[in-house]
Amino acid sequence: DAKTTQPPSMDCAEGRAANLPCNHSTISGNEYVYWYRQIHSQGPQYIIHGLKNNETNEMASLIITEDRKSSTLILPHATLRDTAVYYCIVRVHNAGNMLTFGGGTRLMVKP
Amino acid sequence: EPEVTQTPSHQVTQMGQEVILRCVPISNHLYFYWYRQILGQKVEFLVSFYNNEISEKSEIFDDQFSVERPDGSNFTLKIRSTKLEDSAMYFCASTAEHMNTEAFFGQGTRLTVV
Repeated sequence: DAKTTQPPSMDCAEGRAANLPCNHSTISGNEYVYWYRQIHSQGPQYIIHGLKNNETNEMASLIITEDRKSSTLILPHATLRDTAVYYCIVRVHNAGNMLTFGGGTRLMVKP
Repeated sequence: EPEVTQTPSHQVTQMGQEVILRCVPISNHLYFYWYRQILGQKVEFLVSFYNNEISEKSEIFDDQFSVERPDGSNFTLKIRSTKLEDSAMYFCASTAEHMNTEAFFGQGTRLTVV
């Protein structure tokens, strides 16, 4: 799986949009971008994934650049409960494939 | 909403003892996984399981580890002779069919080896 690079930490004001960047310059054509988050020491939680088009669901939006070398996860109105470590993972789209977690970005949402 | 259930939430064991961590994956899921997270470190893949056999395992998953799906619902991780360095959070996860790749994780079992 391609390697990803994320800032170790970010702050965001409550109610504002949180934009979490991820670089994956070595991504290959059959690899998708996945985002998970881990709140405190709970199990990781799936957020969203995409290949090349922008994606949106009830939790977040995923913006992937045209060259697919980077992406941004957007939480449109961050709340205190969104404080977590966010992981950007690049992997082949196959249910049997494992997830390789990096260090992620620790997002702190502040009142 | 369906969820992956893990028991116990916390297990304390003496070094050298055997432990079994239990997981109930989501009922219609086909792929099962164990991950671990040592305190303050990354989440690490241990093993994946499909069609009643191991499909992939990491270097961490040595002969001290084994997995089993003893019935239609449970998925277990056994550590035969625990070491201090096995202390970690252990997460079970499951995914559905081939193209539905969202992994659902349990809340974890905190294993403390003393």
